[in-house]
Amino acid sequence: AQSVTQLDSHVSVSEGTPVLLRCNYSSSYSPSLFWYVQHPNKGLQLLLKYTSAATLVKGINGFEAEFKKSETSFHLTKPSAHMSDAAEYFCVVRFRTTSGTYKYIFGTGTRLKVLA
Amino acid sequence: KAGVTQTPRYLIKTRGQQVTLSCSPISGHRSVSWYQQTPGQGLQFLFEYFSETQRNKGNFPGRFSGRQFSNSRSEMNVSTLELGDSALYLCASSPMGQSSYEQYFGPGTRLTVT
Repeated sequence: AQSVTQLDSHVSVSEGTPVLLRCNYSSSYSPSLFWYVQHPNKGLQLLLKYTSAATLVKGINGFEAEFKKSETSFHLTKPSAHMSDAAEYFCVVRFRTTSGTYKYIFGTGTRLKVLA
Repeated sequence: KAGVTQTPRYLIKTRGQQVTLSCSPISGHRSVSWYQQTPGQGLQFLFEYFSETQRNKGNFPGRFSGRQFSNSRSEMNVSTLELGDSALYLCASSPMGQSSYEQYFGPGTRLTVT
């Protein structure tokens, strides 16, 4: 069965310090993995995606994530947090169903707080 | 290109009523997916429409339905509203359906059922 687990519901960091948001997945097949960000009262914006190419994926706004198959992880990192990074982040796994269509499973989200 | 638009942005309805939400995808996108977001259940997939056909469906009761028009605009309908239907309803479009890697989300419609 496919699933995705975001290990922290809340993360607080000081501005200028590194960000680490953790995500573990379970998938019977090679998955596609994504990170989305949601600012208050806004829709979701794609940060980055892993689609079986390079295991280190660079996204927008300085974020990157590394796909580690042996650890079934896809953690999101950023070297230096900015106040504008405060938002909710979702790890998403996409998988192909037995009928040939695709479905997305969203993690429960990690709320990032950036302290001045 | 203009992004995904959803109307209305906010809606208040009473239990037992029905509601219709609208989504206009990015120009050229043929697939529209709908999601329900609540604090308790998170983001849950409702259904996907591609070229006017429902191609994929989540685990929601039949009170939730949708359709897609020839111009790819989509509507979702919820009949006999319940308090638990209060949520943010998000629409996402993609060029070729969920075989595409990216989904582009609209700002959502916040539905409150009283």
